[in-house]
Amino acid sequence: AQKITQTQPGMFVQEKEAVTLDCTYDTSDPSYGLFWYKQPSSGEMIFLIYQGSYDQQNATEGRYSLNFQKARKSANLVISASQLGDSAMYFCAMRATNTGNQFYFGTGTSLTVIP
Amino acid sequence: KAGVTQTPRYLIKTRGQQVTLSCSPISGHRSVSWYQQTPGQGLQFLFEYFSETQRNKGNFPGRFSGRQFSNSRSEMNVSTLELGDSALYLCASSLAPGANYGYTFGSGTRLTVV
Repeated sequence: AQKITQTQPGMFVQEKEAVTLDCTYDTSDPSYGLFWYKQPSSGEMIFLIYQGSYDQQNATEGRYSLNFQKARKSANLVISASQLGDSAMYFCAMRATNTGNQFYFGTGTSLTVIP
Repeated sequence: KAGVTQTPRYLIKTRGQQVTLSCSPISGHRSVSWYQQTPGQGLQFLFEYFSETQRNKGNFPGRFSGRQFSNSRSEMNVSTLELGDSALYLCASSLAPGANYGYTFGSGTRLTVV
């Protein structure tokens, strides 16, 4: 079975500082994708970054980077230079080829950026 | 280009009624999947459609059903509503099913059952 674990229900970060949101996963499927989504209070899930299980390098997208440690089955999101608009819920998710390609989501981390 | 459009945004229904939610994917996207988000259970997969065929279904009772039309628009229906069906229902579209395809989510339909 696929499982995503986010152990930080809430996080606070000072504006302009970097923050790491933790995510560990469990799967026996060798081919999978790891995703991070941001969900503001409006409800929309906004795609941030993707890491494939066979990707050799960590993914980066602007201020977002994914610290992928395959042996540890972790896929932490790093947000650099936090902005007030980064305050939202953040979800780590996984999709695996052999399990129907559905998303398995973690429970989310609520990030608050303090001015 | 236009994003994923879900209608209506908000809905209030009474127990026992049925409801239909709509999702219009991004133009050219042929895969649509649905998720239920509740405070207690988090985000859970409902079903996925591709080319008008249901490809995968989550662990939900038969009261939850869906379909996809030839223009890739999708609807989900919930019959005999229960209080526990109150949730944010999100749909996501992509070009086709597959772990390497990016999925774009809509803003959701917030259903309240009273």
